[in-house]
Amino acid sequence: GQQVMQIPQYQHVQEGEDFTTYCNSSTTLSNIQWYKQRPGGHPVFLIQLVKSGEVKKQKRLTFQFGEAKKNSSLHITATQTTDVGTYFCAGRPGNYGQNFVFGPGTRLSVLP
Amino acid sequence: KAGVTQTPRYLIKTRGQQVTLSCSPISGHRSVSWYQQTPGQGLQFLFEYFSETQRNKGNFPGRFSGRQFSNSRSEMNVSTLELGDSALYLCASNFQETGGPYEQYFGPGTRLTVT
Repeated sequence: GQQVMQIPQYQHVQEGEDFTTYCNSSTTLSNIQWYKQRPGGHPVFLIQLVKSGEVKKQKRLTFQFGEAKKNSSLHITATQTTDVGTYFCAGRPGNYGQNFVFGPGTRLSVLP
Repeated sequence: KAGVTQTPRYLIKTRGQQVTLSCSPISGHRSVSWYQQTPGQGLQFLFEYFSETQRNKGNFPGRFSGRQFSNSRSEMNVSTLELGDSALYLCASNFQETGGPYEQYFGPGTRLTVT
């Protein structure tokens, strides 16, 4: 079945440094979503990417969908302590009605 | 609008028992998905309901079942509980505007501990 991987598993950065997490799917995706889960919280929807090569920005966050629609990345510029949490990508295969498959997540720690 | 409500928030059961978890989606949302989250397996899809019909199902044994009512509230049931069923069970209220993204709004979850 479809597998979604993320690297790195953990990332520790100093506040102000940049951070990137990468998401790779074993199959082509129709779309991909990104979520953030704070410690003790629940996943919160951040964004959905649909088009090949799509790039979207939300303030300091930049999301990219690969040309082959099998990979994606999330880049945070100048991290802040409020960025702490686990970032998940969730990919949906090409066929309508199939569920999203979540990656294992990247846990980000930001040292003040 | 009120957010996604899940009850109970915490639950302790013993092996062999059964449990029912409840989820009330955001008003106006007709689709609900259930996920199991564990440290080892991450977020795994259980099933999705839309207008009282199961639209999609994950790879879980038949001990896991669900349903959705006419008011869009959903329940999931786990029978004959096993230790490995200990997890955070998350309900997502799903919404998609025409041409827009399919958005999942997660509830706070039910923390189930099986002893």
